[in-house]
This record gives sequence, C-alpha cells and structure tokens, in this order.
Amino acid sequence: GAVVSQHPSWVICKSGTSVKIECRSLDFQATTMFWYRQFPKQSLMLMATSNEGSKATYEQGVEKDKFLINHASLTLSTLTVTSAHPEDSSFYICSARDPDRSSYNSPLHFGNGTRLTVT
Amino acid sequence: GQSLEQPSEVTAVEGAIVQINCTYQTSGFYGLSWYQQHDGGAPTFLSYNALDGLEETGRFSSFLSRSDSYGYLLLQELQMKDSASYFCAVRDGSWGKLQFGAGTQVVVTP
Repeated sequence: GAVVSQHPSWVICKSGTSVKIECRSLDFQATTMFWYRQFPKQSLMLMATSNEGSKATYEQGVEKDKFLINHASLTLSTLTVTSAHPEDSSFYICSARDPDRSSYNSPLHFGNGTRLTVT
Repeated sequence: GQSLEQPSEVTAVEGAIVQINCTYQTSGFYGLSWYQQHDGGAPTFLSYNALDGLEETGRFSSFLSRSDSYGYLLLQELQMKDSASYFCAVRDGSWGKLQFGAGTQVVVTP
C-alpha cells in the first residue's frame, strides 16, 4: 500500500529559529500533498496544498511567508516553519492521495506527523 | 464554506455498539469519509460514502444520507483498541482537499 514517510517525528527548537519538515511518498509519486496542523484534542486543520513544480496553495489565514512549502520532486514535499514562536508548537502532518484509487474516492495516506515544540 | 458537526466524546464498554453521527454543510459534496486517529498517531482511513446507503467493512460500517446531509460511523463489537478519535471529513470541489470535523473521542471501557 501507499506509504507516506515524515521526518523528523519530533523536534524542539528555540524561538526565532527555522525548522524544516520533510514528507516523502515512498512507493508512489505524489503530484499533490497536503499539510495539516493539529493542536491537542482538536481537529486537523488544512494549512496548504503542495503541488509538484508549482507554488503551494495556502488556506485562508495561513501565512505563506512563515510556512514555506517546497515540492521539488514527485516524492518529496517540505514544510519550513520560519522564525518559529511558541504558538507554532503543534503537530504537523502531511498527506498524499492513494494513487491506486480513482480521484473520486481516493483516501488520504498520512505521514506519522511531526511534533514541534518551540521554546 | 463547509462545516461538520460530530459529538465530542462517546464512552462504551467492550463488545458494545457505538454510532458516531456527522452532519455537514457544504457548498459542494464529493463524499463523506471517516478516519481513525490514536493518540499521538497519524489518521488512518476507515471508509468512504459517495452515495446513499450503508458501506460495511468488517466491524465498522458507514452510512450516508445526502438528502439529510448526514452520515454515521458504526463501530460494532467494540474492542479496547478501538479507543481513539474518529473524524468525519468531506471533500470540497478541488481534487483532494479534505476538511475534517472536530472529531469524536471514543473511550472503550472493560
């Protein structure tokens, strides 16, 4: 089955620094990946849609200059949290669509998430 | 815009049956999905309904009524490992984008 790998699984950084999170599709090509953020006991909030070879599409209210997304290849998307602050501490999860299913009912496969703590 | 409503928490004993309801309001509808997420883990896909009716996958079933903008996930023969959060989700008109409900925490007790 389709596997999405996310790295690192957790990271602690100091306020003002930048953190890069990688999302890889291991056994399939993903022209589109999705980045979600989840605060404790809350839902998954879509941040942006990452498109291979083009600019990401950000959801309303998400700062594109703060959350930089690069999708340079068909198997890798990266999310960089720039100038991180404590309020950016959250669980970040990437996902990609199952390539073996038609787009109509294709489920999302999620990475294992990255828990970011900004001190 | 879209909105989804589901109960925040449900508690049941092992072996019982639990139904998690989800009502939605969407500008367009491309199916209702259900995902399971254990604490600290990634969401995993459970089921998808595009048309009215019941879809059964083992102990889990999902139902959809498009006219009522309503669906539910039915968990049967509850096991301790079913303790998790369950999210309903709908696609908007764009290919792939899923919007999730707030999630229902299912607590299974011995």
